[in-house]
Amino acid sequence: AQSVSQHNHHVILSEAASLELGCNYSYGGTVNLFWYVQYPGQHLQLLLKYFSGDPLVKGIKGFEAEFIKSKFSFNLRKPSVQWSDTAEYFCAVNADQRSSASKIIFGSGTRLSIRP
Amino acid sequence: DGGITQSPKYLFRKEGQNVTLSCEQNLNHDAMYWYRQDPGQGLRLIYYSQIVNDFQKGDIAEGYSVSREKKESFPLTVTSAQKNPTAFYLCASSINLGTDTEAFFGQGTRLTVV
Repeated sequence: AQSVSQHNHHVILSEAASLELGCNYSYGGTVNLFWYVQYPGQHLQLLLKYFSGDPLVKGIKGFEAEFIKSKFSFNLRKPSVQWSDTAEYFCAVNADQRSSASKIIFGSGTRLSIRP
Repeated sequence: DGGITQSPKYLFRKEGQNVTLSCEQNLNHDAMYWYRQDPGQGLRLIYYSQIVNDFQKGDIAEGYSVSREKKESFPLTVTSAQKNPTAFYLCASSINLGTDTEAFFGQGTRLTVV
C-alpha cells in the first residue's frame, strides 16, 4: 500500500531563514504529488502539485518542490520564510492503483512556526 | 460561491449515540472523501466515493458509515462502534478519482464525544 512520510513534526525558524520540509513516499508506480497547507483556523488548500514534466514545480507564495524519483522524495522549499508562513504543511500522494480506484493519501503533517 | 460546505462546525454528542456529519459540494465533482485529522497523525482516509451510489472503505473505516445518494452530498455517520470518535473531520471532493486531480476541502467539523 502507498504511504507518505514526513519526518519533521515541528519546525521552528526565524523570519528570512530558508525552509526545507521533507516528504518521502512508498510506491513504485506512477504517482502524483501534492503539498497542502493549513493556516491557523482555515481550511486545507493546495500549495503546489506535480503530475508530470519538470520535476521542479513552483507553487503559490514563493514555495517550490522538487520531485526526485530515485529517492521517492518530494521536498518542499522556500528560500526566505515569513511570519505569515506559520501553518501546518501536508504532503500527499495519489498513485495509479490498477486494481482499485486511486485515492489521495496524506502524510502526518509538519507544523511550521516562524519567529518574528 | 462554489465550494464544499460542512455542517455543523462544532458538534457535541454523548457516548453511545450515533451522529451524522453533513458534507455538500456544488462543484459538480464526481469524487468525494472523508478524512479524520488527529494531532501528529495527519489526515487519515475513512471512506471515499467515485460516483453516486458507490463508495469504498479507506484506511480507518471501522465504526463509520457513509451514503452517496446524490452527487452533491456525502454524509458521514459516526456510530457508537467507533472507539475514539472525538476528532476533526474533513470532507473533500475532486473532479474524479483519477490520479491527476487535486482535492478541495471543506472547513471541517470538530466532533467531541462526552
